[in-house]
Amino acid sequence: DADVTQTPRNRITKTGKRIMLECSQTKGHDRMYWYRQDPGLGLRLIYYSFDVKDINKGEISDGYSVSRQAQAKFSLSLESAIPNQTALYFCATSDLRTGGYTFGSGTRLTVV
Amino acid sequence: KNQVEQSPQSLIILEGKNCTLQCNYTVSPFSNLRWYKQDTGRGPVSLTIMTFSENTKSNGRYTATLDADTKQSSLHITASQLSDSASYICVPLNYGGSQGNLIFGKGTKLSVKP
Repeated sequence: DADVTQTPRNRITKTGKRIMLECSQTKGHDRMYWYRQDPGLGLRLIYYSFDVKDINKGEISDGYSVSRQAQAKFSLSLESAIPNQTALYFCATSDLRTGGYTFGSGTRLTVV
Repeated sequence: KNQVEQSPQSLIILEGKNCTLQCNYTVSPFSNLRWYKQDTGRGPVSLTIMTFSENTKSNGRYTATLDADTKQSSLHITASQLSDSASYICVPLNYGGSQGNLIFGKGTKLSVKP
């Protein structure tokens, strides 16, 4: 099994719909992140969490919300999806000791 | 403003050849710099992490260099293989506040042809 698992892998949704992307990890890391990747751009940070009770906004948090249900689970929600949220979304964890990051395989979201 | 510029944007080489990818950054304060490999449709995978005091670091056929004074880094790939076809992303860590932020470059897309 992958260390960081994202579901679904692909999703097509309609404008205005609420959608949740889920992430679970077996790394045992406290720190988890959600990134967005658009063609021709670098990954941009949406939200991050240092532990279950900690949630922080990233560079592009507008239109998104997150929930840290447990150390191993961090979900990203789009309350009312819009077409410019069409992108590849990555969940990641980081090791406080080594600073290393582990990324999931991504969720390709299309909003029509 | 923290920025990362990578060159070239894309590169095509023949299998077995060497290549060097460049990264210039203006991140400050600077903590360390990572190179990631990202296969199409997959998440980035770490190749190297270099602190400001390290000049060179190797991982198999991948060798990264860092000049923290000029804020430049390079990734050299030796004896390329078809499986090296991917995007290579330079990621300096901006050590600000209680947690550093990774600043992702746009990547260099490498295609290795037989």
